[in-house]
Amino acid sequence: DVKVTQSSRYLVKRTGEKVFLECVQDMDHENMFWYRQDPGLGLRLIYFSYDVKMKEKGDIPEGYSVSREKKERFSLILESASTNQTSMYLCASSPPALYEQYFGPGTRLTVT
Amino acid sequence: AQSVTQPDIHITVSEGASLELRCNYSYGATPYLFWYVQSPGQGLQLLLKYFSGDTLVQGIKGFEAEFKRSQSSFNLRKPSVHWSDAAEYFCAVAFSNDYKLSFGAGTTVTVRA
Repeated sequence: DVKVTQSSRYLVKRTGEKVFLECVQDMDHENMFWYRQDPGLGLRLIYFSYDVKMKEKGDIPEGYSVSREKKERFSLILESASTNQTSMYLCASSPPALYEQYFGPGTRLTVT
Repeated sequence: AQSVTQPDIHITVSEGASLELRCNYSYGATPYLFWYVQSPGQGLQLLLKYFSGDTLVQGIKGFEAEFKRSQSSFNLRKPSVHWSDAAEYFCAVAFSNDYKLSFGAGTTVTVRA
């Protein structure tokens, strides 16, 4: 079974802090994705990566950056956390030439 | 740009009754279609997918979905709902040469005894 893990289930940070969300997949997938999930808005794509050191902006990249130094790990970085970044963050991965994505359990981030 | 619409925000259904969740997409190309389920506090789990072929697809947990090209729809159905089906359901669409998924806003299903 594909396993996607996220470093924290719950996280509380203060405004202005730098926040790192880590995601690891164990199936050697090329593609990895970061989404945020908000009530009534579904999932919105923040960033995605097709390969190591490759990244592309999704629909809502403002205020976020990403890092992919190893194939299995994709990190989401909030350079200076703000209260409007309080949300559920979901990581996903997929193999090349396949469209279905496998999701981690999510990190619920609260910024106070 | 493609978009995915789930017209029903919240559906309440009695245990044992049938369930149908609606999904419509906009775009001209042939889509790849998915339904995901999210139980409370969990990530998303793939229920079923449609890429090509038979337009009625079977998934896990007794769910099925039918692709209707003329209506740009991919509705999810289950003949008899169990209490454990209470969750949020997301429809998602992808198109060829683009591995990104576009998600609908989700439909929350409540199951009453």
